[in-house]
Amino acid sequence: GAGVSQSPRYKVTKRGQDVTLRCDPISSHATLYWYQQALGQGPEFLTYFNYEAQPDKSGLPSDRFSAERPEGSISTLTIQRTEQRDSAMYRCASSLGGVDTQYFGPGTRLTVL
Amino acid sequence: QKEVEQDPGPLSVPEGAIVSLNCTYSNSAFQYFMWYRQYSRKGPELLMYTYSSGNKEDGRFTAQVDKSSKYISLFIRDSQPSDSATYLCAMSAGGTSYGKLTFGQGTILTVHP
Repeated sequence: GAGVSQSPRYKVTKRGQDVTLRCDPISSHATLYWYQQALGQGPEFLTYFNYEAQPDKSGLPSDRFSAERPEGSISTLTIQRTEQRDSAMYRCASSLGGVDTQYFGPGTRLTVL
Repeated sequence: QKEVEQDPGPLSVPEGAIVSLNCTYSNSAFQYFMWYRQYSRKGPELLMYTYSSGNKEDGRFTAQVDKSSKYISLFIRDSQPSDSATYLCAMSAGGTSYGKLTFGQGTILTVHP
C-alpha cells in the first residue's frame, strides 16, 4: 500500500470491554511496531514484530494487552477488560527492518468511558 | 525521571528565525538519534537521523549529537510557517533494540508570518 493504515481511526468503548485495533503496514515491510501515545506526550514503545515473530513485548503495560501478526503482514493489538487509563492514541509503524526508517500510521484514538 | 527529556514549549517564533530544539537523555547505551516531525492529527515522520556523536546537515536542518553530555539538538534555519508542528526527538540503543525507539515529550513549534 501507499502507507501504513490503521483502523478504526476512532474507538469509544466502555470500561471492561475488549477492543481490537488493526494495522496494515507498507507492503514488503518486515518489521512492525506498536506504540501508545498519550495526549501531549511522545509515543511509547509497546511491542514489535519481525514478520510473524514477536521478539520484544517489554513495553506492553499488562497482560491485558496482546498483539499478533499471524501471517507476517497485518497486525492486531487487543486490549482486554479496558480501563480508563488505556485511553490514548495507538500508533503502528513499519519498516524494512534493521536501521531503516519507521513509517507511522495515522493512529487509532481509543477512548474508554 | 524519564530516559529522554524534552522541553514541551510551546515555542513561537517569527518567520525567518533560527530555531533550536533540544533533548537530554540518561541512557548511555543510546547510539541512534532521530528527530521526527508531527503535524496535527498526523503520525510522526522522520526528519533527521544521526548515528553516534557529530553533526548532520540537510537543507535548513542541522542535527547535533553530543554523547559526552548526553545532549542532542535540532536547528532550523530560516524557519517557515510550514515548519509549525510538534518536533519529537527519539533514540535507540541499536543492535536488536534498534527499532525500540524512546521518544521525548515533543516540542510544539509555531512559526508565524
